[in-house]
Amino acid sequence: EDKVVQSPLSLVVHEGDTVTLNCSYEVTNFRSLLWYKQEKKAPTFLFMLTSSGIEKKSGRLSSILDKKELFSILNITATQTGDSAVYLCAVEARYGNKLVFGAGTILRVKS
Amino acid sequence: GAVVSQHPSRVICKSGTSVKIECRSLDFQATTMFWYRQFPKKSLMLMATSNEGSKATYEQGVEKDKFLINHASLTLSTLTVTSAHPEDSSFYICSAREGLALGNEQFFGPGTRLTVL
Repeated sequence: EDKVVQSPLSLVVHEGDTVTLNCSYEVTNFRSLLWYKQEKKAPTFLFMLTSSGIEKKSGRLSSILDKKELFSILNITATQTGDSAVYLCAVEARYGNKLVFGAGTILRVKS
Repeated sequence: GAVVSQHPSRVICKSGTSVKIECRSLDFQATTMFWYRQFPKKSLMLMATSNEGSKATYEQGVEKDKFLINHASLTLSTLTVTSAHPEDSSFYICSAREGLALGNEQFFGPGTRLTVL
């Protein structure tokens, strides 16, 4: 059965800190791994990763995938209170085209 | 980016009634739409995958007679919760995808919060 495990489950940091969120997965016929940010409503897309070792970057956020270790990290540098959200990791299998989500990491950034 | 809308955003109903939730892709044609359910402080659980013009594929443990899904056009899918009960209270989110090629991401609607009294 396809599975996605995120850690930590929750995290409280101060503004300016750097955080690293983890996502490990087991999936048959891996196609892609996606990161989303969810603030009270629907998830918003952050990154899609398909190849190992290639860092994707968007402002203060970056992410990388290790397909050998079945692992991805999401980094946020110089955190701001607006980064407070639930960060979801999901994997897509090649067949079925559906996403399997992890439980999420609740991030709270204190000012 | 592509926009997906859901209506209503919030609904409160009495036990035993049926509730219909609409999901629309506003600026693209969604060949596939997905329906998720999310409990408080939990992740999204896929309920079903629906392709335009064909029957939905339900995930294990999801009652297809209770959660009726219709995907009659390339821009609209509906989820009807039949004979709703308090345990059906949840946050329902749809997503839509233009095609199945790699890179065709899923765009999520804003969600519908259902409360069954």
